[in-house]
Amino acid sequence: QVHLVESGGGVVQPGGSLRLSCAASGFNFSTYAMHWVRQAPGKGLQWVAFIQYDGSNTNYADSVKGRFTISRDSSKNTLYLQMNSLRPEDTAVYFCAKDRWDGGDFDYWGQGTLVTVSS
Amino acid sequence: DIVMTQSPDSLAVSLGERATINCKSSQSVLYRFNKENYLAWYQQRPGQPPKLLIYWASTRESGVPDRFSGSGSGTDFTLTISSLQAEDVAVYYCQQYYSSWTFGQGTKVEIK
Repeated sequence: QVHLVESGGGVVQPGGSLRLSCAASGFNFSTYAMHWVRQAPGKGLQWVAFIQYDGSNTNYADSVKGRFTISRDSSKNTLYLQMNSLRPEDTAVYFCAKDRWDGGDFDYWGQGTLVTVSS
Repeated sequence: DIVMTQSPDSLAVSLGERATINCKSSQSVLYRFNKENYLAWYQQRPGQPPKLLIYWASTRESGVPDRFSGSGSGTDFTLTISSLQAEDVAVYYCQQYYSSWTFGQGTKVEIK
C-alpha cells in the first residue's frame, strides 16, 4: 500500500534553512505529481508547493515563492522541500501528499513533520 | 487565487442525524470541456493527517462509507453525512484544484 514518510523537521532560528524529505513507497513514484501542504498549530490546511511527475514543472504558494524549493529524486523515491529564509509564520506541520494524477486531488498523505521557527 | 469559504465553521449533530457542510468558491471550478467540478473534500481527525473523502465534487474515494456524499456544481458545493457516527468527529475541508490548489478554512463537526 502507499506509504509517505516525512522527516527533517525541527527547530530553526528565523532566517535559517531546513530541508524536508518525504520517502515514498507502494506506488510508482516517478509517474505521479507530488505536493507539500502545511498546517500551522490549530489552523487550517495551506497548500505550499507542487512538482510534476518528472520534475519538469513546479508551482508555489505566493507566501513561500522565492524562499522554498520543491524537488524530487525518482532514483530514491523521495520528495524534498528546501526551505530558506524561514520566518516565524512558517511554523507548521508539513505534510507531503500524492496527487491523483498531475494536477488533481490528493489521494494519499504522510503523517507530517513539525517545523518550528523561533529564536 | 480562488478563495474557498465554508459554512458553518462548526456544527454539533446528534448521533444518527444528518450533518451538512457547505463550500463556496469565489469563481467556478467547473471545467466546461470535461464537465467536471475540480472540488474535493477531506476529513481530518484529531492528530491525524487529512484523508480524502470525495473528488470531482461527488465521487466517493474507495473505502469511504456511503453515508458520505458530495453534491453541487460551479461555485456551490455540499458535503453531507447522512447518519453521523462517533468516528466522524473531525474537521472537514473542501479544496479546489481547478486553478492551483486552495482549501476552505475547515468545518469542525462534533457530537451534540
